[in-house]
Amino acid sequence: GNSVTQMEGPVTLSEEAFLTINCTYTATGYPSLFWYVQYPGEGLQLLLKATKADDKGSNKGFEATYRKETTSFHLEKGSVQVSDSAVYFCVPLGAQKLVFGQGTRLTINP
Amino acid sequence: DVKVTQSSRYLVKRTGEKVFLECVQDMDHENMFWYRQDPGLGLRLIYFSYDVKMKEKGDIPEGYSVSREKKERFSLILESASTNQTSMYLCASSLAPERTEAFFGQGTRLTVV
Repeated sequence: GNSVTQMEGPVTLSEEAFLTINCTYTATGYPSLFWYVQYPGEGLQLLLKATKADDKGSNKGFEATYRKETTSFHLEKGSVQVSDSAVYFCVPLGAQKLVFGQGTRLTINP
Repeated sequence: DVKVTQSSRYLVKRTGEKVFLECVQDMDHENMFWYRQDPGLGLRLIYFSYDVKMKEKGDIPEGYSVSREKKERFSLILESASTNQTSMYLCASSLAPERTEAFFGQGTRLTVV
């Protein structure tokens, strides 16, 4: 079945720093790929997605590109804000089910 | 916007009680899911349903059952609650077929004492 390996957290950065959260996956075929975000005390929200190789998903200044060759979907943001503090999940979709890892907790200090 | 609503944000139940967690979605989605979220373990799939009255076990179904009598409602049942079922429970729904994202409710934090 599908699986995902995400950069271990917690990750702590200063405001305006550059962010990369690494994500690699194993899957049969070419699954859709998602980044979900969970803000403190809330449920999960879709941050961005890509459905085929070389697609770039983007939202709220975050970007991730579907790399088939390296089976990766790394999340990047050029300048993080305190409000970006949350847990981030890289999620491949397989057989109609989302496959979650542990997530990466991100804390941004002012 | 899709809305997935879980009936309670916080619940406290006693060991041995039968507990019902309710989830309703308003976008006619075929698929519905129940996950639990625990520190250090991420989200783990308990059960999912891809149609009315259809259900499939996820990764950790022991101690749980589900009911889907109507398309918009998916209930998670703890037959006899135990302290190791204290957790955050998340419901989600999605359109079939594949390649579509899931939408999540706000979560229910269940404490079993």
